[in-house]
Amino acid sequence: TQLLEQSPQFLSIQEGENLTVYCNSSSVFSSLQWYRQEPGEGPVLLVTVVTGGEVKKLKRLTFQFGDARKDSSLHITAAQPGDTGLYLCAGAPDYKLSFGAGTTVTVRA
Amino acid sequence: DAGVTQSPTHLIKTRGQHVTLRCSPISGHKSVSWYQQVLGQGPQFIFQYYEKEERGRGNFPDRFSARQFPNYSSELNVNALLLGDSALYLCASSDLPGPLYEQYFGPGTRLTVT
Repeated sequence: TQLLEQSPQFLSIQEGENLTVYCNSSSVFSSLQWYRQEPGEGPVLLVTVVTGGEVKKLKRLTFQFGDARKDSSLHITAAQPGDTGLYLCAGAPDYKLSFGAGTTVTVRA
Repeated sequence: DAGVTQSPTHLIKTRGQHVTLRCSPISGHKSVSWYQQVLGQGPQFIFQYYEKEERGRGNFPDRFSARQFPNYSSELNVNALLLGDSALYLCASSDLPGPLYEQYFGPGTRLTVT
């Protein structure tokens, strides 16, 4: 059983559309991280959310941490082909970082 | 500045063999972590080392071992390879140990066991 459940597993959209991916858990986290991984590369940290209810914006990406600190979402506005990749959420309930299975996002030109 | 480097890039081994994967952290980083990423899954934590000492171990069998050298580079060793060990092995480095410090990942070593 995954500690962090991500949905959907796959998402394919047209350039210019918006999308949202979700990360849910039954556990409370002190913080959650979002990474993007492109083929042949390691994950790259996008953001860390720390406070329940927190909203962080990174250009066209908006990240939200749930009030109860058990879930998070990533919203991309006006997606571009460069946003294509595997989006991973990660949290650390103990000393180690645990990742979700990821959402594969494909943005078609 | 160079990022995290890993070698080799790809590797094909036979069941029962042994493999050694190598990682060089970002200059100045003293902590190295290893992850296994099976196709279609997120990375799974294997080990973390800091100042040459093991600081954490994930749920992996004793066939998996690692060490960190005085220059902070690291090796991951896997004995008696199984087909299920086929995966992308990622190394990440950070200033300090612990999951809350930003980790920088290398490109990984793709291991195929036949």
